[in-house]
Amino acid sequence: DIVMTQSPFSLAVSEGEMVTINCKSSQSLLSSGNQKNYLAWYQQKPGQSPKLLIYYASTRQSGVPDRFIGSGSGTDFTLTISDVQAEDLADYYCLQHYSYPYTFGAGTKLELK
Amino acid sequence: EVQLVETGGGLVQPGNSLKLSCATSGFTFSTAWMNWIRQTPGKRLEWLAQIEDKSNNYFISYLESVKGRFTISRDDSKSSVYLQMNNLKEEDTAIYYCTLTLAYWGQGTLVTVSS
Repeated sequence: DIVMTQSPFSLAVSEGEMVTINCKSSQSLLSSGNQKNYLAWYQQKPGQSPKLLIYYASTRQSGVPDRFIGSGSGTDFTLTISDVQAEDLADYYCLQHYSYPYTFGAGTKLELK
Repeated sequence: EVQLVETGGGLVQPGNSLKLSCATSGFTFSTAWMNWIRQTPGKRLEWLAQIEDKSNNYFISYLESVKGRFTISRDDSKSSVYLQMNNLKEEDTAIYYCTLTLAYWGQGTLVTVSS
């Protein structure tokens, strides 16, 4: 199974700051066939189900603000949130769907400083 | 608008069974790949199963630890996907979500396994 190591576990930020969340996979998530990385990022607010933010490592889902930026390739990936807003306070998860079983990172809790 | 509504959760004793349903609307279900994912009380997310569409012969994949206990199925005529869970264990306690191609999630249904 591919292990997803996500860091940090939690992050305290002030509004307007930039934050980065990292996800490292134990195997490459880059498909040689289509050159796409099978890595997604989700946001989960309290009491809600996870919401897809980014897919193929760097493509924003429709309606997601452009302050959410996904980057990386192969085994190392980053979610950057620039100009953090109060509404961004949530848990964030990475997911690899390159091979079965699909596996998630442990999550990062974004809190207000 | 894509909608996914899970039902069938509840309190069940260890060793018993439960069948979850996920009714969908707002997209072409017959060509959709559907998944079940659960979230434990500790907030860990765990992918459980995927069922592909008819053109892929309804190919199914499972998390190894639930293979043989959990069965995913679908009814294209009802735009619904199901998860039959047998021989439930306390560690199966979680919120169970169905998802459309991992992009859209339902609100989840809570399964509590306890004596």
